[in-house]
Amino acid sequence: DTEVTQTPKHLVMGMTNKKSLKCEQHMGHRAMYWYKQKAKKPPELMFVYSYEKLSINESVPSRFSPECPNSSLLNLHLHALQPEDSALYLCASSQGGGKNNQPQHFGDGTRLSIL
Amino acid sequence: GEDVEQSLFLSVREGDSSVINCTYTDSSSTYLYWYKQEPGAGLQLLTYIFSNMDMKQDQRLTVLLNKKDKHLSLRIADTQTGDSAIYFCAETPTNAGKSTFGDGTTLTVKP
Repeated sequence: DTEVTQTPKHLVMGMTNKKSLKCEQHMGHRAMYWYKQKAKKPPELMFVYSYEKLSINESVPSRFSPECPNSSLLNLHLHALQPEDSALYLCASSQGGGKNNQPQHFGDGTRLSIL
Repeated sequence: GEDVEQSLFLSVREGDSSVINCTYTDSSSTYLYWYKQEPGAGLQLLTYIFSNMDMKQDQRLTVLLNKKDKHLSLRIADTQTGDSAIYFCAETPTNAGKSTFGDGTTLTVKP
């Protein structure tokens, strides 16, 4: 069990669908992250939120839209995705905000398949 | 920019020690992390070391840091089949706000 909870665990969607991935942590962490991970590859950073504000966007296509409603929740809204977007999407959190370098705690991810 | 390199595969016998190596390039103060990823799971933080330290030990895990060569190693004593996984090395420079991951080392433990 991890302290970062991601839902759903699996998601299959068509290219015209709109769906959302959710992430929750109750460790009081003030930085939250979205990563994309392809099989047998390291995670690739997509977004970082610090104190509920977007601090890093790694030039992610606009079909991915992050949202941080409060300090415990992080969403990733998906729209008009492409087959190459199929991957494991990982959420992480770390103590402290700003450009901190504290250890990141990962959820188990959402396995996303685009048909 | 930062670059982190790891060998891709390591195979050991159960009960032996495993040593996974990593090199990094950033010269500023940095945290260096080891994560473990089992199939179908996220990354599990195993241990970490700050760049002003030489060594850190935590039960079966020993991290050694050679700052001059920017070389990091993770030693797993008495390796078990449950240690089979992908191990990622990552560095997070101070004030970077993000980590750079190596490509991961797949550890296979044979009975």
